[in-house]
Amino acid sequence: QQPVQSPQAVILREGEDAVINCSSSKALYSVHWYRQKHGEAPVFLMILLKGGEQKGHDKISASFNEKKQQSSLYLTASQLSYSGTYFCGTVINSGNTPLVFGKGTRLSVIA
Amino acid sequence: EAGVTQSPTHLIKTRGQQATLRCSPISGHTSVYWYQQALGLGLQFLLWYDEGEERNRGNFPPRFSGRQFPNYSSELNVNALELEDSALYLCASSLRGNSPLHFGNGTRLTVT
Repeated sequence: QQPVQSPQAVILREGEDAVINCSSSKALYSVHWYRQKHGEAPVFLMILLKGGEQKGHDKISASFNEKKQQSSLYLTASQLSYSGTYFCGTVINSGNTPLVFGKGTRLSVIA
Repeated sequence: EAGVTQSPTHLIKTRGQQATLRCSPISGHTSVYWYQQALGLGLQFLLWYDEGEERNRGNFPPRFSGRQFPNYSSELNVNALELEDSALYLCASSLRGNSPLHFGNGTRLTVT
């Protein structure tokens, strides 16, 4: 039930854009996105609920296509502070199912 | 608001021993999650407690167990430690199911 993230790693120059994808083989109730910087705990970015919504957070936004069981995280005009590992987490229904994370996407932003 | 606190920060044990890791959630949060983060494997779900009950457990052997106390703090116990148990163990709390998770800084367990 672990979602699949792609790419595994990406290197960007400051100001470039990136897309991180997350897909599941199960019908999803919600998708969470977190960022973990080296040596730190993961930090919540946003939740998307079924209904195909899109959310934004500064220059980071995400979409959720429940029919395709996919979510994408969009990082625009990347900054050095965006570097870290991004994890998507999925919940397959609103009941007794936990948040299960993908293996993460390592994003490196260089000057 | 105090964040999620975990103790100890580091723990070194010998193979075959038992380890106990502790977690205090954010005040008001009733759900506690445990994840194992080993190199290259991402965040592997271990256990989920809510209102004192175990709601779900991940694909880990029974020697991984835990509990949640009436004050919602939680304990993770790992018996008969094996070398591959060496990892960062992260605890997270949330207000309710499907709310954002707030992570602690983790306990680094090293098994020698």
